[in-house]
Amino acid sequence: DAKTTQPPSMDCAEGRAANLPCNHSTISGNEYVYWYRQIHSQGPQYIIHGLKNNETNEMASLIITEDRKSSTLILPHATLRDTAVYYCIVRLLTGANNLFFGTGTRLTVIP
Amino acid sequence: DVKVTQSSRYLVKRTGEKVFLECVQDMDHENMFWYRQDPGLGLRLIYFSYDVKMKEKGDIPEGYSVSREKKERFSLILESASTNQTSMYLCASSSESLGQGKSAFFGQGTRLTVV
Repeated sequence: DAKTTQPPSMDCAEGRAANLPCNHSTISGNEYVYWYRQIHSQGPQYIIHGLKNNETNEMASLIITEDRKSSTLILPHATLRDTAVYYCIVRLLTGANNLFFGTGTRLTVIP
Repeated sequence: DVKVTQSSRYLVKRTGEKVFLECVQDMDHENMFWYRQDPGLGLRLIYFSYDVKMKEKGDIPEGYSVSREKKERFSLILESASTNQTSMYLCASSSESLGQGKSAFFGQGTRLTVV
């Protein structure tokens, strides 16, 4: 599975959009981009995933560049409860089912 | 909702003890994982299993073993606990089906301290 690079930390004002970047320049054509988050003292929680099209669900939007070498997770209206560590992962949908997490981005939402 | 349950939230063990960390999932998932999480190092995969009695090494299997005798249960074993195994241990499971793109569901974690 390809590795990812994320900034170690970011701040965002409450109510504003939080845009979390991820670089995955070695991603292969059949690898998906996944995002998870981990709120303090809890296990990681799945947020969203995509292959090449932009995706949106009730939690967030995922924007993947045309060359698929980077992506951005968007939380449209950040709340204090969104303060967490956000992990970007790329992985195959089939075959080996291991998940490799990096160090993620610590997002702090500021009142 | 998928539930992944880890047997203990906090555990304190002595150096040299044999330690068992238990994980149970209730959604009939094929895949189960054990991670440890340490400050500055993120989550690191120890072992994973894609079927009963099957296991694969992750990034850091040394000092650990696993057991999967039943589909719903995946145990992590520290044969002889050492202080450098003090960490947060996270169990996860995922399905082979395409639902939610095979996203993984995590337990709440076990914070193990070896003294």
